[in-house]
Amino acid sequence: KAGVTQTPRYLIKTRGQQVTLSCSPISGHRSVSWYQQTPGQGLQFLFEYFSETQRNKGNFPGRFSGRQFSNSRSEMNVSTLELGDSALYLCASSFTQGIGEAFFGQGTRLTVV
Amino acid sequence: GENVEQHPSTLSVQEGDSAVIKCTYSDSASNYFPWYKQELGKGPQLIIDIRSNVGEKKDQRIAVTLNKTAKHFSLHITETQPEDSAVYFCAARDPTGTASKLTFGTGTRLQVTL
Repeated sequence: KAGVTQTPRYLIKTRGQQVTLSCSPISGHRSVSWYQQTPGQGLQFLFEYFSETQRNKGNFPGRFSGRQFSNSRSEMNVSTLELGDSALYLCASSFTQGIGEAFFGQGTRLTVV
Repeated sequence: GENVEQHPSTLSVQEGDSAVIKCTYSDSASNYFPWYKQELGKGPQLIIDIRSNVGEKKDQRIAVTLNKTAKHFSLHITETQPEDSAVYFCAARDPTGTASKLTFGTGTRLQVTL
Protein backbone atom coordinates (compact mmCIF):
# COMPACT_ATOMS: atom_id res chain seq x y z
CA LYS A 1 0.00 0.00 0.00
CA ALA A 2 1.54 3.27 -1.08
CA GLY A 3 2.13 5.92 1.55
CA VAL A 4 1.53 9.64 1.38
CA THR A 5 3.17 11.17 -1.68
CA GLN A 6 4.23 14.79 -1.78
CA THR A 7 5.59 16.54 -4.82
CA PRO A 8 7.91 18.13 -5.48
CA ARG A 9 10.46 17.19 -2.81
CA TYR A 10 12.44 20.38 -3.15
CA LEU A 11 11.64 23.87 -4.44
CA ILE A 12 13.56 27.09 -4.67
CA LYS A 13 11.52 30.22 -5.28
CA THR A 14 12.13 33.95 -5.28
CA ARG A 15 10.41 36.40 -2.96
CA GLY A 16 7.11 37.57 -4.37
CA GLN A 17 6.50 34.44 -6.41
CA GLN A 18 3.80 31.91 -5.70
CA VAL A 19 4.10 28.15 -5.27
CA THR A 20 1.82 25.13 -5.40
CA LEU A 21 2.55 21.94 -3.51
CA SER A 22 0.79 18.63 -4.06
CA CYS A 23 -0.19 15.78 -1.77
CA SER A 24 -1.66 12.40 -2.63
CA PRO A 25 -3.03 10.66 0.48
CA ILE A 26 -3.00 6.97 1.23
CA SER A 27 -5.53 5.15 -0.92
CA GLY A 28 -8.91 5.24 0.81
CA HIS A 29 -8.01 8.12 3.09
CA ARG A 30 -10.26 11.14 2.73
CA SER A 31 -8.79 13.64 5.17
CA VAL A 32 -5.67 15.65 4.35
CA SER A 33 -3.97 18.08 6.71
CA TRP A 34 -1.05 20.37 6.03
CA TYR A 35 1.68 21.41 8.46
CA GLN A 36 4.61 23.79 8.29
CA GLN A 37 7.83 22.75 10.01
CA THR A 38 10.57 25.26 10.83
CA PRO A 39 13.44 25.13 13.32
CA GLY A 40 12.06 28.12 15.19
CA GLN A 41 8.33 27.36 15.30
CA GLY A 42 8.32 23.58 15.07
CA LEU A 43 5.35 21.81 13.53
CA GLN A 44 2.39 24.10 13.01
CA PHE A 45 -1.03 23.23 11.64
CA LEU A 46 -2.01 25.02 8.43
CA PHE A 47 -5.38 23.55 7.45
CA GLU A 48 -7.38 20.38 7.01
CA TYR A 49 -9.52 19.20 4.13
CA PHE A 50 -12.19 16.54 4.10
CA SER A 51 -14.65 15.84 1.31
CA GLU A 52 -13.25 18.75 -0.70
CA THR A 53 -14.07 21.22 2.09
CA GLN A 54 -11.73 23.05 4.41
CA ARG A 55 -12.71 21.88 7.90
CA ASN A 56 -10.18 23.64 10.05
CA LYS A 57 -7.60 26.38 9.62
CA GLY A 58 -4.52 27.33 11.60
CA ASN A 59 -3.20 30.77 12.37
CA PHE A 60 -1.56 31.60 9.05
CA PRO A 61 -2.13 34.58 6.75
CA GLY A 62 -4.47 34.42 3.79
CA ARG A 63 -1.49 33.95 1.45
CA PHE A 64 -1.67 30.30 2.44
CA SER A 65 -4.54 28.46 0.81
CA GLY A 66 -5.43 24.99 -0.25
CA ARG A 67 -7.95 22.78 -1.90
CA GLN A 68 -8.92 19.16 -2.17
CA PHE A 69 -10.11 17.30 -5.22
CA SER A 70 -12.76 14.62 -5.54
CA ASN A 71 -10.07 11.91 -5.47
CA SER A 72 -8.87 13.31 -2.08
CA ARG A 73 -5.63 14.66 -3.52
CA SER A 74 -4.81 18.06 -2.11
CA GLU A 75 -2.82 21.09 -3.10
CA MET A 76 -1.64 24.02 -1.07
CA ASN A 77 -0.68 27.36 -2.50
CA VAL A 78 1.42 30.13 -1.06
CA SER A 79 1.26 33.48 -2.82
CA THR A 80 3.61 36.45 -2.56
CA LEU A 81 6.34 34.38 -1.00
CA GLU A 82 8.39 35.79 1.86
CA LEU A 83 11.77 34.67 3.15
CA GLY A 84 10.05 33.45 6.30
CA ASP A 85 8.00 30.97 4.28
CA SER A 86 11.10 28.81 3.86
CA ALA A 87 10.18 25.58 5.59
CA LEU A 88 9.39 21.91 5.26
CA TYR A 89 5.73 21.55 4.30
CA LEU A 90 4.20 18.29 5.42
CA CYS A 91 1.00 16.63 4.41
CA ALA A 92 -0.79 14.17 6.69
CA SER A 93 -3.38 11.65 5.57
CA SER A 94 -6.15 10.20 7.72
CA PHE A 95 -8.97 7.81 6.92
CA THR A 96 -11.53 10.33 8.07
CA GLN A 97 -11.46 13.51 10.07
CA GLY A 98 -11.08 13.45 13.81
CA ILE A 99 -10.65 9.73 14.10
CA GLY A 100 -7.69 7.42 13.67
CA GLU A 101 -4.06 7.83 12.89
CA ALA A 102 -2.44 10.54 10.78
CA PHE A 103 0.36 9.47 8.44
CA PHE A 104 2.83 11.98 7.06
CA GLY A 105 4.52 12.26 3.73
CA GLN A 106 8.20 13.06 3.21
CA GLY A 107 7.45 16.73 2.85
CA THR A 108 8.33 19.44 0.38
CA ARG A 109 11.35 21.55 1.27
CA LEU A 110 10.64 25.11 0.14
CA THR A 111 13.45 27.63 0.06
CA VAL A 112 12.62 31.27 -0.65
CA VAL A 113 15.55 33.43 -1.78
CA GLY B 1 -6.20 26.36 22.17
CA GLU B 2 -4.19 23.31 23.06
CA ASN B 3 -0.58 23.72 24.20
CA VAL B 4 1.87 20.81 24.38
CA GLU B 5 5.17 21.00 26.21
CA GLN B 6 7.89 18.41 25.70
CA HIS B 7 11.02 17.59 27.70
CA PRO B 8 13.91 17.14 27.40
CA SER B 9 14.91 18.86 24.18
CA THR B 10 17.96 16.61 23.83
CA LEU B 11 18.65 13.21 25.31
CA SER B 12 21.78 11.12 25.01
CA VAL B 13 21.79 7.51 26.16
CA GLN B 14 24.10 4.56 25.75
CA GLU B 15 23.03 1.66 23.61
CA GLY B 16 20.96 -0.74 25.67
CA ASP B 17 19.79 1.88 28.14
CA SER B 18 16.23 3.19 28.40
CA ALA B 19 15.02 6.59 27.23
CA VAL B 20 12.03 8.51 28.55
CA ILE B 21 10.46 11.58 26.95
CA LYS B 22 7.72 13.49 28.72
CA CYS B 23 4.92 15.74 27.47
CA THR B 24 2.21 17.77 29.13
CA TYR B 25 -0.93 19.14 27.51
CA SER B 26 -3.28 21.91 28.52
CA ASP B 27 -6.72 20.98 27.16
CA SER B 28 -8.34 18.35 29.35
CA ALA B 29 -10.71 17.52 26.47
CA SER B 30 -7.88 16.22 24.24
CA ASN B 31 -8.46 12.54 23.60
CA TYR B 32 -5.72 11.22 21.34
CA PHE B 33 -1.95 11.36 21.81
CA PRO B 34 0.39 10.09 19.08
CA TRP B 35 4.17 9.95 19.05
CA TYR B 36 6.21 10.49 15.92
CA LYS B 37 9.82 9.74 15.03
CA GLN B 38 11.50 11.95 12.46
CA GLU B 39 14.79 11.02 10.86
CA LEU B 40 16.90 13.46 8.93
CA GLY B 41 15.36 14.35 5.60
CA LYS B 42 12.17 12.42 6.23
CA GLY B 43 8.65 13.15 7.36
CA PRO B 44 7.41 12.23 10.85
CA GLN B 45 6.66 8.53 11.26
CA LEU B 46 3.91 7.43 13.64
CA ILE B 47 5.43 4.99 16.12
CA ILE B 48 2.77 4.61 18.79
CA ASP B 49 -0.37 6.34 20.00
CA ILE B 50 -2.72 6.25 22.97
CA ARG B 51 -6.30 7.27 23.49
CA SER B 52 -7.72 8.93 26.55
CA ASN B 53 -9.57 5.81 27.73
CA VAL B 54 -6.30 3.86 28.05
CA GLY B 55 -3.52 4.32 30.62
CA GLU B 56 -0.69 2.44 28.94
CA LYS B 57 0.15 0.88 25.61
CA LYS B 58 3.15 -1.20 24.55
CA ASP B 59 4.61 -2.20 21.23
CA GLN B 60 7.79 -4.25 21.55
CA ARG B 61 10.47 -1.90 22.94
CA ILE B 62 8.22 1.15 22.92
CA ALA B 63 5.55 2.07 25.47
CA VAL B 64 3.44 5.12 26.13
CA THR B 65 1.74 6.04 29.40
CA LEU B 66 -1.01 8.58 29.94
CA ASN B 67 -2.06 10.31 33.14
CA LYS B 68 -5.26 12.18 32.39
CA THR B 69 -5.52 13.71 35.83
CA ALA B 70 -2.10 15.29 35.59
CA LYS B 71 -2.47 15.87 31.83
CA HIS B 72 0.82 14.30 30.92
CA PHE B 73 1.99 11.41 28.79
CA SER B 74 5.36 9.80 28.29
CA LEU B 75 7.25 7.72 25.74
CA HIS B 76 9.46 4.94 27.00
CA ILE B 77 12.02 3.22 24.80
CA THR B 78 13.81 0.23 26.28
CA GLU B 79 17.00 -1.47 25.08
CA THR B 80 17.84 1.48 22.85
CA GLN B 81 19.68 0.88 19.59
CA PRO B 82 21.63 3.26 17.34
CA GLU B 83 18.73 3.26 14.86
CA ASP B 84 16.54 4.82 17.55
CA SER B 85 18.55 8.03 17.12
CA ALA B 86 16.14 10.62 15.72
CA VAL B 87 13.90 13.50 16.75
CA TYR B 88 10.75 12.44 18.59
CA PHE B 89 7.58 14.52 18.72
CA CYS B 90 4.57 14.12 20.95
CA ALA B 91 1.21 15.51 19.90
CA ALA B 92 -2.33 15.97 21.15
CA ARG B 93 -5.42 16.04 19.01
CA ASP B 94 -7.63 19.06 19.24
CA PRO B 95 -11.04 17.64 20.08
CA THR B 96 -12.96 20.62 18.67
CA GLY B 97 -15.81 19.25 16.62
CA THR B 98 -14.53 16.51 14.38
CA ALA B 99 -11.27 18.18 13.48
CA SER B 100 -8.06 16.23 13.04
CA LYS B 101 -5.71 19.03 14.04
CA LEU B 102 -2.66 17.89 15.95
CA THR B 103 -0.74 20.19 18.29
CA PHE B 104 2.89 19.13 18.54
CA GLY B 105 5.53 19.39 21.20
CA THR B 106 8.84 21.00 20.33
CA GLY B 107 10.66 17.71 19.83
CA THR B 108 13.35 15.69 21.59
CA ARG B 109 16.58 14.86 19.81
CA LEU B 110 17.56 11.38 20.99
CA GLN B 111 21.10 10.21 20.44
CA VAL B 112 22.01 6.62 21.16
CA THR B 113 25.74 6.16 21.54
CA LEU B 114 27.68 2.94 21.23
